[in-house]
Amino acid sequence: EVQLVETGGGLIQPGGSLRLSCEAFGFRVDSTYMSWVRQAPGKGLEWVSVLYATGNTYYADPVKGRFTISRDDSKNTLYLQMDSLRADDTAVYFCARQMHMDVWGHGTAVTVSS
Amino acid sequence: DVQMTQSPPALSASVGDRVTITCRASESIGPWLAWYQQKPGKAPKLLIHQASNLESGVPSRFSGSGSGTEFTLTISSLQPDDYAVYYCQQYNNFWTFGQGTKVEIK
Repeated sequence: EVQLVETGGGLIQPGGSLRLSCEAFGFRVDSTYMSWVRQAPGKGLEWVSVLYATGNTYYADPVKGRFTISRDDSKNTLYLQMDSLRADDTAVYFCARQMHMDVWGHGTAVTVSS
Repeated sequence: DVQMTQSPPALSASVGDRVTITCRASESIGPWLAWYQQKPGKAPKLLIHQASNLESGVPSRFSGSGSGTEFTLTISSLQPDDYAVYYCQQYNNFWTFGQGTKVEIK
């Protein structure tokens, strides 16, 4: 079965760092576009970052320079390294597959608060 | 950046009603538009991609149309399981979501 499982969320103080993981089952993360999308409490969906099969990476302006997307092909896992976290980064973070996001994880919640 | 404007932000409808949600892009995105359904506490679910292609397993009462800057999601006969928030998303130039349309019970 094709699925994505995110882990790594939690409560973190402003200015801190957190690494999210997204393990894939049933397909290879290095074979397609893999994105992170977030949803702040009570708000809509916001694209955060993408890692192409080629290795190219792109970021939304609010996270550029603070977040880093990567993958470990041996673990078939996508990552999101989040540094210099701010209160407005508080959200549920989802990973998703493909340009038209056909498979999503269940999400992992990140709360940035002192 | 491509902006996506969805309308209406919310609507009330009864079971069996025909429901239409519109999404407008700030520039032409060709056919590169997807529609998602999201229920509380759940991940979004892909309904339609490339403007009109029904995702496998999605009921045929859902349909999509449009190209360029104007797109529509139609639910031909609303069912109890369809009460949710619906988002459009362009993927022609990175990714941008619409603000969402909440479909509520009338």
